[in-house]
Amino acid sequence: AQSVTQLGSHVSVSEGALVLLRCNYSSSVPPYLFWYVQYPNQGLQLLLKYTSAATLVKGINGFEAEFKKSETSFHLTKPSAHMSDAAEYFCAVSQGGGGADGLTFGKGTHLIIQP
Amino acid sequence: DTAVSQTPKYLVTQMGNDKSIKCEQNLGHDTMYWYKQDSKKFLKIMFSYNNKELIINETVPNRFSPKSPDKAHLNLHINSLELGDSAVYFCASSQDWGGRSPLHFGNGTRLTVT
Repeated sequence: AQSVTQLGSHVSVSEGALVLLRCNYSSSVPPYLFWYVQYPNQGLQLLLKYTSAATLVKGINGFEAEFKKSETSFHLTKPSAHMSDAAEYFCAVSQGGGGADGLTFGKGTHLIIQP
Repeated sequence: DTAVSQTPKYLVTQMGNDKSIKCEQNLGHDTMYWYKQDSKKFLKIMFSYNNKELIINETVPNRFSPKSPDKAHLNLHINSLELGDSAVYFCASSQDWGGRSPLHFGNGTRLTVT
């Protein structure tokens, strides 16, 4: 079985500050990990994905995430927040082997950017 | 060109009615999904089809019935709608089955049952 825990349902940062959104996963096999972003009244868009290549993954809009197996974490960061980053962020995990669970999403973190 | 499109965007209906949501993808993907997002933004998979074959059928009421006429389409029919069915329903597709490929989402259908 697989699961995802996102710490903090709401995160608030000032414009220009570091963004850190936390994600911890549980998987019985090496996982595939994803971060998605959802803007209001829209579907989810892929930010980045980890598929067992480099542990530091760069995504769109200046975001990146680091896979740490020892900590079972895949935290999302951005050095300098922009007002347009305000959205809901979802971490997701799959076991990649065609298991019946498919892709499992975390409960999401709402990112608030303060001017 | 919209990659994954679903219609309608909004659906307001009364309890007991039957309604359908349509989804089409023009990405040439083999796998399509239906997800339900509740008022707390929690996303839960409902169904997954791979090459028109049902792969995932989570514990959802049998009032929900997916239909995949071809690889590019996955529709969702809901019978006898209940208040608790109110949510945003997302269609998605991926290149292949197995969780290795990212999902491409439609913009959602906001269903309100009164």
